[in-house]
Amino acid sequence: ELKVEQNPLFLSMQEGKNYTIYCNYSTTSDRLYWYRQDPGKSLESLFVLLSNGAVKQEGRLMASLDTKARLSTLHITAAVHDLSATYFCAVDIAGNTGKLIFGQGTTLQVKP
Amino acid sequence: DAGVTQSPTHLIKTRGQQVTLRCSPKSGHDTVSWYQQALGQGPQFIFQYYEEEERQRGNFPDRFSGHQYPNYSSELNVNALLLGDSALYLCASSLVPGHLNTEAFFGQGTRLTVV
Repeated sequence: ELKVEQNPLFLSMQEGKNYTIYCNYSTTSDRLYWYRQDPGKSLESLFVLLSNGAVKQEGRLMASLDTKARLSTLHITAAVHDLSATYFCAVDIAGNTGKLIFGQGTTLQVKP
Repeated sequence: DAGVTQSPTHLIKTRGQQVTLRCSPKSGHDTVSWYQQALGQGPQFIFQYYEEEERQRGNFPDRFSGHQYPNYSSELNVNALLLGDSALYLCASSLVPGHLNTEAFFGQGTRLTVV
């Protein structure tokens, strides 16, 4: 059974600092998604990574995918308070079926 | 484009009752998936509907059932509610499985509380 593990699960950081969230998954997949969730809200799509070596950037967030290592990273550059949220990675269990297996989520708290 | 819409937004039910949640997919999407998100957890896949049939199912009991209509909208039904069914239920719409772009877009969710 596919398992998706994120670490850390909780991250408290100061504004202006850099940090990386890691997402490991247990079986082969070349389709990985990153979502953001604010408290009590739904999931907002951040990145779709479709192939080995894929790298995407939006503002202070950059996501990458290494399918050989079964690892994706979400890098935060010069964090700001508005980035405080829970971040989930999700893997499509059979590559392209729309059935997503989610990690536990990483709650990011950015302090002024 | 209204995106994915779900109703109701909040619901309180008593143990043993039955509940129906509704979802209208994003325009142009024909596949609907349902997820359960317990507090502090990641979403868990319940099942997926395409062409009015259940195509994939997660590890949920038969108390959880669904339906998809010809206009692609979908319902999630839960019978014999348990306290543990309290969660945020998310609907996601996407294009047909196997399509190059199956990115899922999520609705705002239905918060179900079982008392």
